[in-house]
Amino acid sequence: EPEVTQTPSHQVTQMGQEVILRCVPISNHLYFYWYRQILGQKVEFLVSFYNNEISEKSEIFDDQFSVERPDGSNFTLKIRSTKLEDSAMYFCASSSGGASTFYGYTFGSGTRLTVV
Amino acid sequence: AQSVTQPDIHITVSEGASLELRCNYSYGATPYLFWYVQSPGQGLQLLLKYFSGDTLVQGIKGFEAEFKRSQSSFNLRKPSVHWSDAAEYFCAVAPWGGYQKVTFGIGTKLQVIP
Repeated sequence: EPEVTQTPSHQVTQMGQEVILRCVPISNHLYFYWYRQILGQKVEFLVSFYNNEISEKSEIFDDQFSVERPDGSNFTLKIRSTKLEDSAMYFCASSSGGASTFYGYTFGSGTRLTVV
Repeated sequence: AQSVTQPDIHITVSEGASLELRCNYSYGATPYLFWYVQSPGQGLQLLLKYFSGDTLVQGIKGFEAEFKRSQSSFNLRKPSVHWSDAAEYFCAVAPWGGYQKVTFGIGTKLQVIP
């Protein structure tokens, strides 16, 4: 079964540093997403991406965050200057979209980001 | 905007007992509905999903869920719980089409006692 792959599985960074979280979505999917889960809390939507642009973003997704699909396979989330409160599990997801072909959202196993 | 309510934050059941986790959603039309399970420190595993058709859906690990439009509910059930079912369970909703964000409930933490 196709998978969404996220790297690294765990990243520790110092406050103020830039981090890039990487994801390889399922190859024939067109819609890509990032979600965040702070320890012990619910999974929150950050951003969705389609056709090389952001289609929706939450209020969490401020100017410190950016997303990019630098080539045909990777989808990245960049946090420009990390804060302690950015410590969380970040999940990437993808979907095919289109009601006739949609069979669900596939989530990656997550990247645990720890900001110290 | 869609929303999901999981009224039970923690549930404790005895091994072998039946389980029902509640989920209510708010959305203007028929949504896509999901249940995910998460073990500590792990990712999200899809248990089952409802798109349309038969309102009773079967999932993995012996779970099932029933969509009740009149009650805006999508409760998860299992007839006999195993100790390995201890985890956190998230109900989620997404608009029809499969290209917009998923909204998750706050989760229900399941504890299984011998």
